[in-house]
Amino acid sequence: TQLLEQSPQFLSIQEGENLTVYCNSSSVFSSLQWYRQEPGEGPVLLVTVVTGGEVKKLKRLTFQFGDARKDSSLHITAAQPGDTGLYLCAGQPITGNQFYFGTGTSLTVIP
Amino acid sequence: GAGVSQSPSNKVTEKGKDVELRCDPISGHTALYWYRQSLGQGLEFLIYFQGNSAPDKSGLPSDRFSAERTGGSVSTLTIQRTQQEDSAVYLCASSIVGAGNTDTQYFGPGTRLTVL
Repeated sequence: TQLLEQSPQFLSIQEGENLTVYCNSSSVFSSLQWYRQEPGEGPVLLVTVVTGGEVKKLKRLTFQFGDARKDSSLHITAAQPGDTGLYLCAGQPITGNQFYFGTGTSLTVIP
Repeated sequence: GAGVSQSPSNKVTEKGKDVELRCDPISGHTALYWYRQSLGQGLEFLIYFQGNSAPDKSGLPSDRFSAERTGGSVSTLTIQRTQQEDSAVYLCASSIVGAGNTDTQYFGPGTRLTVL
């Protein structure tokens, strides 16, 4: 059973375009994290959101945590080739030690 | 070292053989996680160590998988009688506190395991 579903699974866009990646669940999380992973490397944390409705911005990236803390979105403005990678969301339940990772979104930005 | 290191980086083995994968966490990090990642997919939680507490083994897929953490530092993931479906990248992560909702996990580069 996949606790976190991401969409789209694959995304190929031209440099300069905007995009949004979604991370959805029927479960409530105490926090949600977004990671980016490049080939041959481990994921690198981009942001952690902990409050329902919270919005965080990191340069051209905007992250939002749903009001009910069941879903999140990542919006990238004016995508650049350096944004290419696998984007993963990860949620930590109210109780327990695990982080549940989403299915991943593979982004390719074409110059 | 400056980050989490894992060895070997690649391991090719024959079906039925045992393998050991090693993780060196960041010095001072009390929490250590093992995950498995199939090609281009998300991460599957395997096991979690936090200080001297009993490990959370709830993600181990079968009794062929085991892990230990010696002296609160280095961890070894052992897979006995490997099967082809065990082929994946095995990732290790460490964090400074563990079990907190703002903890940052620092990941190693992973070990790519191929079972022929």
